[in-house]
Amino acid sequence: DTAVSQTPKYLVTQMGNDKSIKCEQNLGHDTMYWYKQDSKKFLKIMFSYNNKELIINETVPNRFSPKSPDKAHLNLHINSLELGDSAVYFCASSQVSAAPNEQFFGPGTRLTVL
Amino acid sequence: AQRVTQPEKLLSVFKGAPVELKCNYSYSGSPELFWYVQYSRQRLQLLLRHISRESIKGFTADLNKGETSFHLKKPFAQEEDSAMYYCALDAGGYNKLIFGAGTRLAVHP
Repeated sequence: DTAVSQTPKYLVTQMGNDKSIKCEQNLGHDTMYWYKQDSKKFLKIMFSYNNKELIINETVPNRFSPKSPDKAHLNLHINSLELGDSAVYFCASSQVSAAPNEQFFGPGTRLTVL
Repeated sequence: AQRVTQPEKLLSVFKGAPVELKCNYSYSGSPELFWYVQYSRQRLQLLLRHISRESIKGFTADLNKGETSFHLKKPFAQEEDSAMYYCALDAGGYNKLIFGAGTRLAVHP
C-alpha cells in the first residue's frame, strides 16, 4: 500500500523527556516535510528535506531536530519536551520536480506532554 | 509577507444549500494555490489546485488576482462534505506550503 506512514500514532510523555517520531514514504518522492497542527487546528510547516538535505527550517526551537537517513525517511527528534509541544505532527512528501506539486500527508502523530 | 487568511472558523449550512469557503492570500509573486481537506479520522488530502481549473466532488475555486482570493464553492452541499478545509499557498521553492487557519464545514441534514 503506497502511502506516507508515521509511528507512533499516539505519544504521551512527561515534560523534560526526549522522544522521536518516525516517518516513511514509499511514493518515491524526493522531498519530505514536518508540520505541526496546534489545538486550534492551525497547520504550520516546521522542516523540509530534499534528497536528504535540509531546505526549509522555519522558526522552530532547536530542541527539535529532524534527521533524514535516506530519501524515504524523515524522523523528528524532540529534546526536553515542554507542555507547548503538545500537538499533532504531520509528515508529508512530494515530488518537487513534478507539477502541480501535490503533498501527500501521513496520518499524524498526536503528542501529549504531561 | 506571505500569508493565507481564512476568515471563518466554522461554516454551518443545511444539505442542499450553496457553500462558499473564503480564502485570501498575500504573496508578491505569481501564486499557486490549493485547497486541502481533512475528513473526520482521515489524513489531510488535496482537494483541488487552481492551476488545474478542475471541479472535484462538485467543488470549484477560481483564482482572483485582483482581489487576491481563492474561494472554494459548491452549489449544493452534501452531508459528506463536512470536514476541515484548508487553503494553502505554495510560497515557492521546494513546495513550501503556507496554510490558512482552516474552516470547519458542517453540513446538517
